[in-house]
Order: sequence, then C-alpha cells, then structure tokens
Amino acid sequence: GQSLEQPSEVTAVEGAIVQINCTYQTSGFYGLSWYQQHDGGAPTFLSYNALDGLEETGRFSSFLSRSDSYGYLLLQELQMKDSASYFCAVRDNTDKLIFGTGTRLQVFP
Amino acid sequence: DGGITQSPKYLFRKEGQNVTLSCEQNLNHDAMYWYRQDPGQGLRLIYYSQIVNDFQKGDIAEGYSVSREKKESFPLTVTSAQKNPTAFYLCALGSGNNEQFFGPGTRLTVL
Repeated sequence: GQSLEQPSEVTAVEGAIVQINCTYQTSGFYGLSWYQQHDGGAPTFLSYNALDGLEETGRFSSFLSRSDSYGYLLLQELQMKDSASYFCAVRDNTDKLIFGTGTRLQVFP
Repeated sequence: DGGITQSPKYLFRKEGQNVTLSCEQNLNHDAMYWYRQDPGQGLRLIYYSQIVNDFQKGDIAEGYSVSREKKESFPLTVTSAQKNPTAFYLCALGSGNNEQFFGPGTRLTVL
C-alpha cells in the first residue's frame, strides 16, 4: 500500500531549529511537497522538491533523497506563529497527492 | 475578488439526510479535489476532477457523489449512505509542482 510516515508531534522553543522527517512508500513518485495547517484553517503550500537536495525559502528549507524515499522540512528561528500541523505529500503515478498524517509542532516561549 | 470559496463554513444535518457542499473557483484551474479530514488526521481524497464533465473516485468515495458541469464549480454531496460523515471537508485546486490551493473548508456535523 501507499504510506507516508511522519512523527505525530514535535515541540521546540522560540528561536530554535526543528526538523520534521517524512518517509514514503508510494506507487510512483513525482515530487515531495510540504503543507502547513493552523488549527481550524486550511492547509497552505510551503515547498516542493522534485530532485534530490535542499530547497530554501526564507526560514524554511526542505530536503529530498529519492534513493532513501526520505525528506524533511527544516524550520529555523522558530516563532510562536509556526505552531501548526505540517504535512508531507507525494504525487503518485495516478497523479493524486498522497498526504501524510501530519506532525503537530508546538513552539514554546 | 479571486480565489476558491466553500460554503457554508459550518453545516449541521440530521442522520439520513443528503447534503451538498459547495466549491467555487475563479482561478481558471482545470483540476479540482475534495478531501476529508478527521480530527488529528491527514487529508484523505474523496473525489477529483481533471476536466469538466469528468471525475474520478479517490480513496474514500463511498457515500459521496460529485458533479463537474462547469469549470468553476465542483459540488460534493454527502449522502445518507456515508455512515460517519462528521468531518472537515476541504476543496482544493491543483497546479503544477504538487501545489494545491485549498478553500477555507466546510465543517460538517451530523446531529
């Protein structure tokens, strides 16, 4: 079957760095993306990796290793507003996005 | 005002009733998706449509139906056959690079 594994919860303090890992097993692979969702809100797109390596967008970076079926989201200089759930997602060979179950990040002062 | 809209934001229904959730967009996207999210869970795909007058079942289509008569609209009907319909329903538009734009969602509660 298809699955994306993420830790269920991560905690950190303001100003720290946190890494959220994602391992996937899917029928085909056409890129790994990350979404952020605040409580009660809709998911918003953060980043996309089609090729191996690190993509940086401000305080957020995303990494992909296709040979390891693994990626991570790196959040630097954490702020209270970063408290949210983070989902990884993979596009499979049927052109659908498969989402992980999400990682809840709590940032403490 | 451009974007993707879902209505209503909150919806209550009695058991045994069908209910239709609206999803409208004016961003000219071909691909539209419906997801269901349960508390503390990820998003599960119900139905999707890549083009007008065509749609495909997702992973949890049982008890749901959709139509795509216009590019701008992709309504979802939750039928009485859906045994556990209380959830947060999200409509999304697809574009390249795995990026999907989500509407604000409809929170459905069955009384």
